[in-house]
Amino acid sequence: DTGVSQDPRHKITKRGQNVTFRCDPISEHNRLYWYRQTLGQGPEFLTYFQNEAQLEKSRLLSDRFSAERPKGSFSTLEIQRTEQGDSAMYLCASSLRDNYGYTFGSGTRLTVV
Amino acid sequence: DAKTTQPTSMDCAEGRAANLPCNHSTISGNEYVYWYRQIHSQGPQYIIHGLKNNETNEMASLIITEDRKSSTLILPHATLRDTAVYYCIVRPILRGAQKLVFGQGTRLTINP
Repeated sequence: DTGVSQDPRHKITKRGQNVTFRCDPISEHNRLYWYRQTLGQGPEFLTYFQNEAQLEKSRLLSDRFSAERPKGSFSTLEIQRTEQGDSAMYLCASSLRDNYGYTFGSGTRLTVV
Repeated sequence: DAKTTQPTSMDCAEGRAANLPCNHSTISGNEYVYWYRQIHSQGPQYIIHGLKNNETNEMASLIITEDRKSSTLILPHATLRDTAVYYCIVRPILRGAQKLVFGQGTRLTINP
């Protein structure tokens, strides 16, 4: 399967714990995006990488959130001191170049209890 | 903020053409129209995009009005697997302008 892979698919964590999600984009895609989606809403942009450079961050990405893409390959999204409001689906997508359609992964569903 | 307006929900009979409208009255000359869909519990899936000409691929057709202020996504022979939320998005052509801004979309239900 050469699609976008996200791990884990589901994560349940207690409030205050740190969590980390991983995204493996399509191998030749140099652009990688993170989105968050809550129930009944469309996906909301969080951040974007071109190769290893993080080029844009949404104001939704508070200081508890950090994303990395070492070596321009896979990416991780970490949430520190999770809150119940962080419960959502976290989606990763990749694309080859400007104006191409994104390919999304199936997402990581986070539940903070 | 999303720059498009779509109906909240639509129904269509299986085997019929599903026509999903989208208004983007403030679209500028350097913005594409993109369509994605999201089937329950999956990530969004790219369908099609266009600038000013009508476009067709194996999934759908995109009809953009001459003034570019609205468009229609057409699924020519809808199946039950086409039940999904469909998002219409406008996005600048400009180099480096990568972000897709999703609205609420249209929840399309295909009925047997």
